[in-house]
Amino acid sequence: AQSVTQLGSHVSVSEGALVLLRCNYSSSVPPYLFWYVQYPNQGLQLLLKYTTGATLVKGINGFEAEFKKSETSFHLTKPSAHMSDAAEYFCAVSFSGNTPLVFGKGTRLSVIA
Amino acid sequence: DSGVTQTPKHLITATGQRVTLRCSPRSGDLSVYWYQQSLDQGLQFLIQYYNGEERAKGNILERFSAQQFPDLHSELNLSSLELGDSALYFCASSLNRVSNEQYFGPGTRLTVT
Repeated sequence: AQSVTQLGSHVSVSEGALVLLRCNYSSSVPPYLFWYVQYPNQGLQLLLKYTTGATLVKGINGFEAEFKKSETSFHLTKPSAHMSDAAEYFCAVSFSGNTPLVFGKGTRLSVIA
Repeated sequence: DSGVTQTPKHLITATGQRVTLRCSPRSGDLSVYWYQQSLDQGLQFLIQYYNGEERAKGNILERFSAQQFPDLHSELNLSSLELGDSALYFCASSLNRVSNEQYFGPGTRLTVT
């Protein structure tokens, strides 16, 4: 069965500092990997995705993530945090197209001025 | 704006009652997914419909049911409601069977009193 582990339910960074949100997955087949962001009282917005090809994927708002098969990881990074990045971030996995997503428990990112 | 709409935005009802949540997918998307988000369980997949047919079932209670209509909108019916059913219910839609990008609606917040 697929599962997703997000290390750290809450991460706090200073404005301008590096953002690193960790995601590890377990899957018996090559996965499709996603990061979503949820702002308060809103739905989930797709930040970026990995399906095949280049392992470093760039998303919206300056975020990027790298798929590392040997480490079964898909960590999310951003070089410089902005106050507007404060939100809940979810890592998700599926093993093929047209299938449900399995989500991690989420990481709440706080940005300190 | 993801293009996925959900109504109502908020719903407050009493235990034992029945409610219907509605979702309109993005134009052209054939798949509709329902997810439940709660503090203790996180984001959990409930059920998927593809072009009017049930495609996959997740952790959906027998008291819950769903359907997708010919115009591709979907309804999630929740009956004999319990306090523990209070949660955010999200609908997501997708078209791309290769990349499995799912676009989420703003959600319906259900409060059972």
